[in-house]
Amino acid sequence: DAGVIQSPRHEVTEMGQEVTLRCKPISGHDYLFWYRQTMMRGLELLIYFNNNVPIDDSGMPEDRFSAKMPNASFSTLKIQPSEPRDSAVYFCASSSQGSLYEQYFGPGTRLTVT
Amino acid sequence: AQTVTQSQPEMSVQEAETVTLSCTYDTSESNYYLFWYKQPPSRQMILVIRQEAYKQQNATENRFSVNFQKAAKSFSLKISDSQLGDTAMYFCALRSGGSNYKLTFGKGTLLTVNP
Repeated sequence: DAGVIQSPRHEVTEMGQEVTLRCKPISGHDYLFWYRQTMMRGLELLIYFNNNVPIDDSGMPEDRFSAKMPNASFSTLKIQPSEPRDSAVYFCASSSQGSLYEQYFGPGTRLTVT
Repeated sequence: AQTVTQSQPEMSVQEAETVTLSCTYDTSESNYYLFWYKQPPSRQMILVIRQEAYKQQNATENRFSVNFQKAAKSFSLKISDSQLGDTAMYFCALRSGGSNYKLTFGKGTLLTVNP
Protein backbone atom coordinates (compact mmCIF):
# COMPACT_ATOMS: atom_id res chain seq x y z
CA ASP A 1 0.00 0.00 0.00
CA ALA A 2 1.30 3.47 -0.89
CA GLY A 3 0.20 5.02 2.37
CA VAL A 4 -1.40 8.43 2.69
CA ILE A 5 -0.32 10.72 -0.13
CA GLN A 6 -0.15 14.47 0.20
CA SER A 7 0.70 17.14 -2.32
CA PRO A 8 2.50 19.38 -2.62
CA ARG A 9 5.26 18.59 -0.11
CA HIS A 10 6.27 22.23 0.05
CA GLU A 11 4.31 25.34 -0.82
CA VAL A 12 5.50 28.93 -0.71
CA THR A 13 2.97 31.62 -1.45
CA GLU A 14 2.37 35.29 -0.88
CA MET A 15 -0.09 36.68 1.58
CA GLY A 16 -3.54 36.97 0.08
CA GLN A 17 -3.15 34.10 -2.34
CA GLU A 18 -5.32 30.99 -2.34
CA VAL A 19 -3.65 27.76 -1.27
CA THR A 20 -4.98 24.25 -1.88
CA LEU A 21 -3.52 21.22 -0.14
CA ARG A 22 -4.40 17.75 -1.37
CA CYS A 23 -4.67 14.35 0.24
CA LYS A 24 -5.28 10.80 -0.92
CA PRO A 25 -6.09 8.45 1.99
CA ILE A 26 -5.19 4.79 2.21
CA SER A 27 -7.57 2.75 0.09
CA GLY A 28 -10.40 1.36 2.19
CA HIS A 29 -10.03 3.84 5.01
CA ASP A 30 -13.28 5.64 5.79
CA TYR A 31 -11.96 8.31 8.15
CA LEU A 32 -9.83 11.25 7.04
CA PHE A 33 -8.25 13.86 9.29
CA TRP A 34 -6.53 17.19 8.66
CA TYR A 35 -4.00 18.42 11.25
CA ARG A 36 -1.84 21.50 11.53
CA GLN A 37 1.52 21.49 13.30
CA THR A 38 3.26 24.62 14.57
CA MET A 39 5.94 25.21 17.16
CA MET A 40 3.62 27.32 19.25
CA ARG A 41 0.50 25.17 19.23
CA GLY A 42 1.81 21.69 18.47
CA LEU A 43 -0.43 19.30 16.56
CA GLU A 44 -4.03 20.43 16.22
CA LEU A 45 -6.92 18.64 14.59
CA LEU A 46 -8.63 20.92 12.10
CA ILE A 47 -11.41 18.72 10.73
CA TYR A 48 -12.26 15.09 10.14
CA PHE A 49 -14.52 13.21 7.74
CA ASN A 50 -16.30 9.86 7.91
CA ASN A 51 -17.46 8.36 4.64
CA ASN A 52 -16.76 11.70 2.92
CA VAL A 53 -18.99 13.64 5.34
CA PRO A 54 -17.47 16.27 7.66
CA ILE A 55 -18.06 15.16 11.25
CA ASP A 56 -16.21 17.72 13.34
CA ASP A 57 -14.81 20.98 12.01
CA SER A 58 -14.50 22.72 15.37
CA GLY A 59 -10.76 23.00 14.92
CA MET A 60 -10.94 25.00 11.71
CA PRO A 61 -9.46 28.35 12.73
CA GLU A 62 -11.70 30.66 10.73
CA ASP A 63 -13.75 31.08 7.61
CA ARG A 64 -10.64 31.41 5.48
CA PHE A 65 -10.18 27.66 5.89
CA SER A 66 -12.38 25.13 4.11
CA ALA A 67 -12.10 21.40 3.50
CA LYS A 68 -13.87 19.07 1.12
CA MET A 69 -13.95 15.37 0.42
CA PRO A 70 -15.72 14.84 -2.91
CA ASN A 71 -15.02 11.10 -2.90
CA ALA A 72 -13.42 8.37 -0.81
CA SER A 73 -10.00 8.80 -2.36
CA PHE A 74 -9.48 12.56 -2.34
CA SER A 75 -9.69 15.52 0.01
CA THR A 76 -8.62 19.15 -0.16
CA LEU A 77 -7.86 21.80 2.43
CA LYS A 78 -8.12 25.33 1.07
CA ILE A 79 -6.98 28.58 2.59
CA GLN A 80 -8.30 31.76 0.99
CA PRO A 81 -6.88 34.31 1.50
CA SER A 82 -3.69 33.03 3.08
CA GLU A 83 -1.86 34.91 5.85
CA PRO A 84 1.66 34.58 7.27
CA ARG A 85 0.27 33.06 10.48
CA ASP A 86 -1.00 30.12 8.41
CA SER A 87 2.59 29.01 7.89
CA ALA A 88 2.79 25.49 9.32
CA VAL A 89 3.05 21.84 8.40
CA TYR A 90 -0.32 20.39 7.42
CA PHE A 91 -0.84 16.68 7.84
CA CYS A 92 -3.52 14.44 6.46
CA ALA A 93 -4.22 11.11 8.18
CA SER A 94 -6.63 8.26 7.55
CA SER A 95 -8.01 5.34 9.51
CA SER A 96 -10.65 2.65 9.51
CA GLN A 97 -12.23 0.09 11.78
CA GLY A 98 -9.97 -2.45 10.17
CA SER A 99 -6.95 -0.54 11.44
CA LEU A 100 -8.43 -0.36 14.94
CA TYR A 101 -8.87 3.35 14.34
CA GLU A 102 -5.13 3.93 14.41
CA GLN A 103 -4.41 6.96 12.30
CA TYR A 104 -1.84 6.72 9.53
CA PHE A 105 -0.26 10.01 8.59
CA GLY A 106 0.90 11.39 5.28
CA PRO A 107 4.29 13.09 4.89
CA GLY A 108 2.81 16.54 5.43
CA THR A 109 2.83 19.76 3.42
CA ARG A 110 5.09 22.53 4.65
CA LEU A 111 3.31 25.81 3.90
CA THR A 112 5.14 29.13 4.02
CA VAL A 113 3.15 32.31 3.52
CA THR A 114 5.30 35.41 2.98
CA ALA B 1 -11.96 18.11 27.69
CA GLN B 2 -9.07 15.73 27.16
CA THR B 3 -5.52 16.81 27.86
CA VAL B 4 -2.13 15.19 27.32
CA THR B 5 1.00 16.44 29.06
CA GLN B 6 4.58 15.60 28.23
CA SER B 7 6.75 17.25 30.86
CA GLN B 8 10.12 16.57 29.23
CA PRO B 9 10.71 18.86 26.25
CA GLU B 10 14.08 17.27 25.52
CA MET B 11 15.99 14.14 26.51
CA SER B 12 19.17 12.46 25.46
CA VAL B 13 20.52 8.94 25.81
CA GLN B 14 23.62 7.05 24.82
CA GLU B 15 23.37 4.47 22.11
CA ALA B 16 22.44 0.99 23.45
CA GLU B 17 21.08 2.39 26.72
CA THR B 18 17.47 2.54 27.91
CA VAL B 19 15.38 5.69 28.14
CA THR B 20 11.88 6.39 29.42
CA LEU B 21 9.66 9.18 28.13
CA SER B 22 6.85 10.42 30.37
CA CYS B 23 3.24 11.19 29.53
CA THR B 24 0.26 11.98 31.72
CA TYR B 25 -3.27 12.52 30.52
CA ASP B 26 -6.69 13.47 31.69
CA THR B 27 -10.03 12.21 30.42
CA SER B 28 -13.46 11.58 31.83
CA GLU B 29 -13.94 8.58 29.55
CA SER B 30 -13.73 5.04 30.92
CA ASN B 31 -12.75 3.59 27.57
CA TYR B 32 -10.00 5.18 25.53
CA TYR B 33 -6.84 4.51 23.56
CA LEU B 34 -3.33 5.80 24.07
CA PHE B 35 -0.64 6.07 21.43
CA TRP B 36 2.98 7.00 21.02
CA TYR B 37 3.97 8.52 17.69
CA LYS B 38 7.50 9.16 16.46
CA GLN B 39 8.40 12.07 14.20
CA PRO B 40 11.96 11.84 12.85
CA PRO B 41 13.62 14.75 11.01
CA SER B 42 11.88 13.58 7.85
CA ARG B 43 8.72 14.89 9.53
CA GLN B 44 6.75 11.69 8.88
CA MET B 45 4.50 10.74 11.81
CA ILE B 46 4.98 7.06 12.60
CA LEU B 47 2.87 5.06 15.03
CA VAL B 48 5.16 3.37 17.56
CA ILE B 49 2.78 1.64 19.96
CA ARG B 50 -0.86 1.51 21.04
CA GLN B 51 -2.55 0.72 24.37
CA GLU B 52 -6.23 0.08 24.98
CA ALA B 53 -7.34 1.38 28.37
CA TYR B 54 -9.36 -1.74 29.15
CA LYS B 55 -6.27 -3.93 28.83
CA GLN B 56 -4.18 -4.26 31.96
CA GLN B 57 -1.23 -5.79 30.16
CA ASN B 58 1.33 -3.27 28.97
CA ALA B 59 1.84 -3.15 25.22
CA THR B 60 5.19 -4.11 23.74
CA GLU B 61 6.60 -3.72 20.23
CA ASN B 62 10.14 -5.03 19.91
CA ARG B 63 12.39 -2.52 21.74
CA PHE B 64 9.45 -0.29 22.65
CA SER B 65 7.22 -0.90 25.66
CA VAL B 66 4.85 1.13 27.76
CA ASN B 67 4.12 1.44 31.44
CA PHE B 68 0.40 2.11 31.62
CA GLN B 69 -0.81 3.21 35.04
CA LYS B 70 -4.53 3.79 34.62
CA ALA B 71 -5.26 5.06 38.13
CA ALA B 72 -2.42 7.54 37.92
CA LYS B 73 -3.31 8.41 34.30
CA SER B 74 0.25 7.83 33.28
CA PHE B 75 1.52 6.32 30.02
CA SER B 76 5.30 6.25 29.71
CA LEU B 77 7.32 4.88 26.80
CA LYS B 78 10.47 2.84 27.38
CA ILE B 79 12.97 2.42 24.58
CA SER B 80 15.51 -0.32 25.15
CA ASP B 81 18.84 -0.68 23.37
CA SER B 82 18.51 2.83 21.92
CA GLN B 83 19.66 3.26 18.34
CA LEU B 84 20.75 6.35 16.43
CA GLY B 85 17.63 6.00 14.29
CA ASP B 86 15.48 6.51 17.37
CA THR B 87 16.44 10.19 17.36
CA ALA B 88 13.10 11.97 16.84
CA MET B 89 10.26 13.88 18.42
CA TYR B 90 7.96 11.57 20.33
CA PHE B 91 4.31 12.46 20.81
CA CYS B 92 1.89 10.90 23.25
CA ALA B 93 -1.73 10.92 22.06
CA LEU B 94 -5.15 10.09 23.48
CA ARG B 95 -8.40 9.10 21.77
CA SER B 96 -11.71 8.35 23.42
CA GLY B 97 -13.30 4.98 22.82
CA GLY B 98 -16.64 6.37 21.74
CA SER B 99 -17.73 7.76 18.40
CA ASN B 100 -15.38 10.73 18.59
CA TYR B 101 -12.18 9.85 16.78
CA LYS B 102 -10.23 12.96 17.66
CA LEU B 103 -6.63 12.46 18.70
CA THR B 104 -5.35 14.83 21.37
CA PHE B 105 -1.56 15.18 21.26
CA GLY B 106 0.98 16.22 23.84
CA LYS B 107 3.58 18.86 22.97
CA GLY B 108 6.22 16.24 22.32
CA THR B 109 9.63 15.19 23.66
CA LEU B 110 12.71 15.58 21.51
CA LEU B 111 14.88 12.51 22.03
CA THR B 112 18.48 12.54 20.88
CA VAL B 113 20.46 9.30 20.81
CA ASN B 114 24.18 9.97 21.06
CA PRO B 115 26.84 7.63 19.64
